[in-house]
Amino acid sequence: AQTVTQSQPEMSVQEAETVTLSCTYDTSESDYYLFWYKQPPSRQMILVIRQEAYKQQNATENRFSVNFQKAAKSFSLKISDSQLGDAAMYFCAYRSATPGTPLVFGKGTRLSVIA
Amino acid sequence: EAGVAQSPRYKIIEKRQSVAFWCNPISGHATLYWYQQILGQGPKLLIQFQNNGVVDDSQLPKDRFSAERLKGVDSTLKIQPAKLEDSAVYLCASSSRRALLYEQYFGPGTRLTVT
Repeated sequence: AQTVTQSQPEMSVQEAETVTLSCTYDTSESDYYLFWYKQPPSRQMILVIRQEAYKQQNATENRFSVNFQKAAKSFSLKISDSQLGDAAMYFCAYRSATPGTPLVFGKGTRLSVIA
Repeated sequence: EAGVAQSPRYKIIEKRQSVAFWCNPISGHATLYWYQQILGQGPKLLIQFQNNGVVDDSQLPKDRFSAERLKGVDSTLKIQPAKLEDSAVYLCASSSRRALLYEQYFGPGTRLTVT
């Protein structure tokens, strides 16, 4: 079975600074997808960024980028120019490439942004 | 398009009582998921439907939990009788093969407190 580990229960960052959230995963599959989700206090799960395992290029979405190391099974999220609105729980998630398979989530990292 | 709808948003019940949650997925989404998110943890799949058929219910505590998706659209998740450890957020998500990477879209969740 696949597992996702987030070793940082809490992180904090100064506004406008950069922060990196860590994620490792375990799988025997060669084709899969990785995601970072943001969950604010409203509980709505918001997709931040996605990475396809067969792509070597790291995904980027505006201020959010990932460092995907397939051999090390590592998938970290970098948030640049942090904003107060970035404060939330962040979940790393894994999904098999088979269409329709469910997500496997890590336990999450609570990010605080200090003004 | 309208997002995934869930109701109620909050529910407080006493242990041994019953409760039901409702989910209306995005129109045309054939796949529907129910996740349970216990405080301090990431969401965990309870059950997955494809149209009105169950794909995976291996993590559903069938002695107390039941779910249905009649007509392949709306879904209801029921707990009877509830236990203290059922206190959690219940998230509904839906997906479609037409979406990029079969992306899952989440509803706002229902926060259940069992006293």
